[in-house]
Amino acid sequence: TQLLEQSPQFLSIQEGENLTVYCNSSSVFSSLQWYRQEPGEGPVLLVTVVTGGEVKKLKRLTFQFGDARKDSSLHITAAQPGDTGLYLCAGATTTDSWGKLQFGAGTQVVVTP
Amino acid sequence: DSGVTQTPKHLITATGQRVTLRCSPRSGDLSVYWYQQSLDQGLQFLIQYYNGEERAKGNILERFSAQQFPDLHSELNLSSLELGDSALYFCASSVSSSSTGELFFGEGSRLTVL
Repeated sequence: TQLLEQSPQFLSIQEGENLTVYCNSSSVFSSLQWYRQEPGEGPVLLVTVVTGGEVKKLKRLTFQFGDARKDSSLHITAAQPGDTGLYLCAGATTTDSWGKLQFGAGTQVVVTP
Repeated sequence: DSGVTQTPKHLITATGQRVTLRCSPRSGDLSVYWYQQSLDQGLQFLIQYYNGEERAKGNILERFSAQQFPDLHSELNLSSLELGDSALYFCASSVSSSSTGELFFGEGSRLTVL
């Protein structure tokens, strides 16, 4: 059983469309990270959010941490083929064990031209 | 390039065998983490070392062990291998063990147990 539930599992959209990926849990996290993983590579960090209600923007990507720090979302505006990849959310339940991240199962995003 | 080096990239072996996966962290990073990624389980935290000492343990089987050496490189030893151990094994490193810092992942070692 995954501590972090991601939805949807798979998302296929056309270039230019918007998409949102969700990451939910019944646990409270001290911080939450989003990673993107491409085939044959390790995950690469996109953002870290630590404050409930926090919103961070990274170009066309908007990340939000829920007020109760139990959930997060990733919104991509005007998706491009280069956004294709496996998006993973990961949470730290205590600040003392930063690397003991709990990962969601991931959302596979495919953006077609 | 994350700066984390893992060897070997691919490994095929038989059930019952033992393998060693190696990881060189980014220069200056003191923490090393091992993760297992399989299709049915996703990314699972195995173990973390900080400056040579074990810092946190996850869902690591007793057949698996790891260590971090004085030069900070780490090895993950997998013994009495079973078919279910086939997976991608990632090493990640970070500067410290408790901060809002970034984990840098290597490209992984793909283990296939036949």
